[in-house]
Amino acid sequence: GAVVSQHPSRVICKSGTSVKIECRSLDFQATTMFWYRQFPKKSLMLMATSNEGSKATYEQGVEKDKFLINHASLTLSTLTVTSAHPEDSSFYICSARGGQGNGGYTFGSGTRLTVV
Amino acid sequence: TQLLEQSPQFLSIQEGENLTVYCNSSSVFSSLQWYRQEPGEGPVLLVTVVTGGEVKKLKRLTFQFGDARKDSSLHITAAQPGDTGLYLCAFSNTGKLIFGQGTTLQVKP
Repeated sequence: GAVVSQHPSRVICKSGTSVKIECRSLDFQATTMFWYRQFPKKSLMLMATSNEGSKATYEQGVEKDKFLINHASLTLSTLTVTSAHPEDSSFYICSARGGQGNGGYTFGSGTRLTVV
Repeated sequence: TQLLEQSPQFLSIQEGENLTVYCNSSSVFSSLQWYRQEPGEGPVLLVTVVTGGEVKKLKRLTFQFGDARKDSSLHITAAQPGDTGLYLCAFSNTGKLIFGQGTTLQVKP
């Protein structure tokens, strides 16, 4: 079945530094990937849609300069949290559409970001 | 704006009990999906309901899509500790998957 690999699974960084999270579709090509943010015991909130070869589309209220998205190939999208602050600490999850034959969505296993 | 409201938000029950989770909206959907998420993991698709009035079963889980395709329910029979997790309903909007608020289920042994 379709597999989406997300790396790293956990990261701790200092305030002011940047962190890059990778999302790869392992056995299918994904022209579109999605990035979500999730707070403890809360649902997934869509941050942005990552489009291969073009600019990402951000949801209302999401700072595009804070959360940089690059989708340079059909199997890789990256999310960079720039100048991270403790309030950016969260669980970030990526998703890719396709690979299941029915246009379904496959999710990565998430990245727990802690900014200290 | 299309929104999905889930209820209850939190549910703590004993092993063997039955439960129902609801997903409601004022909008009509072409389909709805149900996911289950365990801590520290991404959501996993359980089922997609497409037809109004449709009922789908997945072992002890029964999913129903409302006749008007505005709501859905998930019923779990004889819950087990392994059913513990966050249950999410979701719909696709212009290719984007939008989630409901989620129901956190805890099944105590």
